[in-house]
Amino acid sequence: DGGITQSPKYLFRKEGQNVTLSCEQNLNHDAMYWYRQDPGQGLRLIYYSQIVNDFQKGDIAEGYSVSREKKESFPLTVTSAQKNPTAFYLCASSITAASIIYFGEGSWLTVV
Amino acid sequence: AQKVTQAQTEISVVEKEDVTLDCVYETRDTTYYLFWYKQPPSGELVFLIRRNSFDEQNEISGRYSWNFQKSTSSFNFTITASQVVDSAVYFCALSEEYNQGGKLIFGQGTELSVKP
Repeated sequence: DGGITQSPKYLFRKEGQNVTLSCEQNLNHDAMYWYRQDPGQGLRLIYYSQIVNDFQKGDIAEGYSVSREKKESFPLTVTSAQKNPTAFYLCASSITAASIIYFGEGSWLTVV
Repeated sequence: AQKVTQAQTEISVVEKEDVTLDCVYETRDTTYYLFWYKQPPSGELVFLIRRNSFDEQNEISGRYSWNFQKSTSSFNFTITASQVVDSAVYFCALSEEYNQGGKLIFGQGTELSVKP
């Protein structure tokens, strides 16, 4: 089936540890995105990539890092520098930056 | 500055009632897109509709309809004869054509609860 796959669905991390969230898409989309959602709030853009080997910071990039070595993959690393990492993380993709954006099922990250 | 406001935080209706979710946006661009997404309890965002700023025609898709009015900067969403399966959080979002490649600006969301 075509779609956007995020893993893991649930992740627990100790303070001070880095963690990487996986996002894979088989839709042949050029653009990929990472959004963060906090309870009762809308989504905020962390990073986005319009093409392989290129990515841009969104509104809340501090404490996060990404890579885009392959068209289908856009992993997000939540570093220990991120002060409030507990949140719901959503990966998304679109054919181009001007197209409809489709979302994955999300990953819940809890820092304990 | 760009902004999307969904003033209704929570709405509760009884099945078969009609319900309208409000969305007001702010943008300085003349070319932009407006979206509605549905987020069921499972968490993923489901795309419902995209409209561009040059198309003010209302749209109907089954029990769903959308009213886009540039004069009031609103893009409201109506569910007719609501069903329990419509219970979810609904997000309105804005994308500006010349802004950071496809970035979506989201409203806070409206949680709709449809009771049997």
